[in-house]
Amino acid sequence: QKEVEQNSGPLSVPEGAIASLNCTYSDRGSQSFFWYRQYSGKSPELIMSIYSNGDKEDGRFTAQLNKASQYVSLLIRDSQPSDSATYLCAVIKGSQGNLIFGKGTKLSVKP
Amino acid sequence: DTGVSQDPRHKITKRGQNVTFRCDPISEHNRLYWYRQTLGQGPEFLTYFQNEAQLEKSRLLSDRFSAERPKGSFSTLEIQRTEQGDSAMYLCASTPWAGQETQYFGPGTRLLVL
Repeated sequence: QKEVEQNSGPLSVPEGAIASLNCTYSDRGSQSFFWYRQYSGKSPELIMSIYSNGDKEDGRFTAQLNKASQYVSLLIRDSQPSDSATYLCAVIKGSQGNLIFGKGTKLSVKP
Repeated sequence: DTGVSQDPRHKITKRGQNVTFRCDPISEHNRLYWYRQTLGQGPEFLTYFQNEAQLEKSRLLSDRFSAERPKGSFSTLEIQRTEQGDSAMYLCASTPWAGQETQYFGPGTRLLVL
């Protein structure tokens, strides 16, 4: 079982819709959770971080964390074509602080 | 410049050659991480530095790979005797201090080994 799993997609949503991206992780010792956005050929860009159970909202983005289910999600409201990218879920589980990434979910927002 | 910078942005080399990449972290960021990303995969951790000390190396970092961070500022990643399997994007990230976990990535160096 991979440490961080994501559905690779592609996930296609119409413009203006809500995009829902999901991620599960295997290690209950994971303590910090991140969503990065990566455009083709570019480096990852931080979208959200979340550390405690519940929801965290930032503009059109909402991250949700459920440690009991070892599940973290990202909702993108009012999706725009510019949101089309690969979304990477990442966790930190140890003191060294390195990120453990999933393979990413490719999101396509159709005009 | 307020971001992490990497040089070169692209590198094409022949199998068996040595290559060196440079990363300049955000000023006064103490932790510096190297990752490698191949097509269709998420970035994978290679190694990290706390100031000038290299504290952890992944099993992905074979003996052909070496990294340094002299004086705790910029870092270099060298690959000796490159192989086609080394073709990837090499990413550098930095954080201000241990315990501040948000990592800021540089633009990456894309390596192609022919």
